[in-house]
Amino acid sequence: ETGVTQTPRHLVMGMTNKKSLKCEQHLGHNAMYWYKQSAKKPLELMFVYSLEERVENNSVPSRFSPECPNSSHLFLHLHTLQPEDSALYLCASSQASYDYRYEQYFGPGTRLTVT
Amino acid sequence: AQSVTQPDIHITVSEGASLELRCNYSYGATPYLFWYVQSPGQGLQLLLKYFSGDTLVQGIKGFEAEFKRSQSSFNLRKPSVHWSDAAEYFCAVGARPGTSGTYKYIFGTGTRLKVLA
Repeated sequence: ETGVTQTPRHLVMGMTNKKSLKCEQHLGHNAMYWYKQSAKKPLELMFVYSLEERVENNSVPSRFSPECPNSSHLFLHLHTLQPEDSALYLCASSQASYDYRYEQYFGPGTRLTVT
Repeated sequence: AQSVTQPDIHITVSEGASLELRCNYSYGATPYLFWYVQSPGQGLQLLLKYFSGDTLVQGIKGFEAEFKRSQSSFNLRKPSVHWSDAAEYFCAVGARPGTSGTYKYIFGTGTRLKVLA
C-alpha cells in the first residue's frame, strides 16, 4: 500500500451505534489530520496530530473522539452521532504540522451516513 | 482574519477550451498557496504550490497558476481542457500561526468543473 488509506470507504450507522474510522499513512509523515467535507461547505479541519500528540481540536463535539496510537495510524471513534454528521470524512498527512510549505496528502475518504 | 475565496461554484467548458479558475485570499503577508483537485469518490490531490520565487508555477496534468500579489490572487489555468479534468478544484492557503500558535491551513469552498464533449 502506498499513500494514505482509509477504511471503511462507506459506513451507515444508526444514531446509537459506535463505530470507528481508520486511517493509515505509508509516507513516513509526522502529522495527521481529520477533515469533514459536507456538501456546499468548506472543508472543516477537525483534529491535528503531530508525532502522536493532539495539537489541534477545532471545537469538535465530544461524540467524535480521535486516537493516534503511532505516527502511521489515526482513528476517529464515533458514538451517538446525529444525522447532520453525515459527510465525507477525509484523513490527511504531511511532513510537519506547523510547516505550511508542506502539502497534505489525502486519503480517499469514508462516506458516512447517519440514519 | 485569513480567508480564501473561490468565486465560481460551478464552471462548464468544452473539451479543448482553455480554463481559468479563480482564487483570492486575504492574508497580511505572503502565504503559501496550493491548488488541489478532487475527483469523484476520491480524496484531494495536490496540483501545484507556491511560496516564493517565480510567480508562475507549473503543476501536474498540464496545470499552471500565477501568483499576483497586487490582486491577492492565485488563479489556476490550463490551455486545453480534457474530459478527465472534470472534478472539483480547491485553492488553499497555509498561514503562519498567530500568537496562540493556532494551526492555519484554509481551504476555499471549491469550484466544480464540468467538461462538455
